[in-house]
Amino acid sequence: GDSVTQMEGPVTLSEEAFLTINCTYTATGYPSLFWYVQYPGEGLQLLLKATKADDKGSNKGFEATYRKETTSFHLEKGSVQVSDSAVYFCALTSGAGNMLTFGGGTRLMVKP
Amino acid sequence: NAGVTQTPKFRILKIGQSMTLQCAQDMNHNYMYWYRQDPGMGLKLIYYSVGAGITDKGEVPNGYNVSRSTTEDFPLRLELAAPSQTSVYFCASSLAPYEQYFGPGTRLTVT
Repeated sequence: GDSVTQMEGPVTLSEEAFLTINCTYTATGYPSLFWYVQYPGEGLQLLLKATKADDKGSNKGFEATYRKETTSFHLEKGSVQVSDSAVYFCALTSGAGNMLTFGGGTRLMVKP
Repeated sequence: NAGVTQTPKFRILKIGQSMTLQCAQDMNHNYMYWYRQDPGMGLKLIYYSVGAGITDKGEVPNGYNVSRSTTEDFPLRLELAAPSQTSVYFCASSLAPYEQYFGPGTRLTVT
């Protein structure tokens, strides 16, 4: 079946550091790929998405490129802020029900 | 436009009790979903619905039931609560095949 693997956290960075969170996937067909963010005590919010190979999703300074050849969708940000501290989930949709398959999540902590 | 709403926000149940988690959306989305999130883990799909009157099992459906009598509502029923059902429950909806929108969650403890 489909699966998503993320790098384990927590990831601890200083403010203005460069962020990479790795995500690889296994899926049949051509899934859409997503990054969701979960702030403490809240539900998940869509951060960015890509629906086909070589698409780049971007939002709030975050970017991720759909790489079919390496089955990856790594999340990057050039300069993190304390307010970016959250848990980040990589996910894909597949199947007739548009169901999401999630990775285990990566906790990011940004220190001033 | 409230998006996806869930009630209650918190609940403590005793083993063997039953309850219904409510979920409603006002975006006229055809697809709705229930997930559970265990501490430090990702989300797992419990049940989903592709439209009123249609429901199907996800990855972890045992111990739960759902119904979808209207487009807006998708309640999740827990029968005979067990400690293993202690979790945070998230409802989501989408206008397939686009992205899912999540509710704020219900934190359930079974003791």
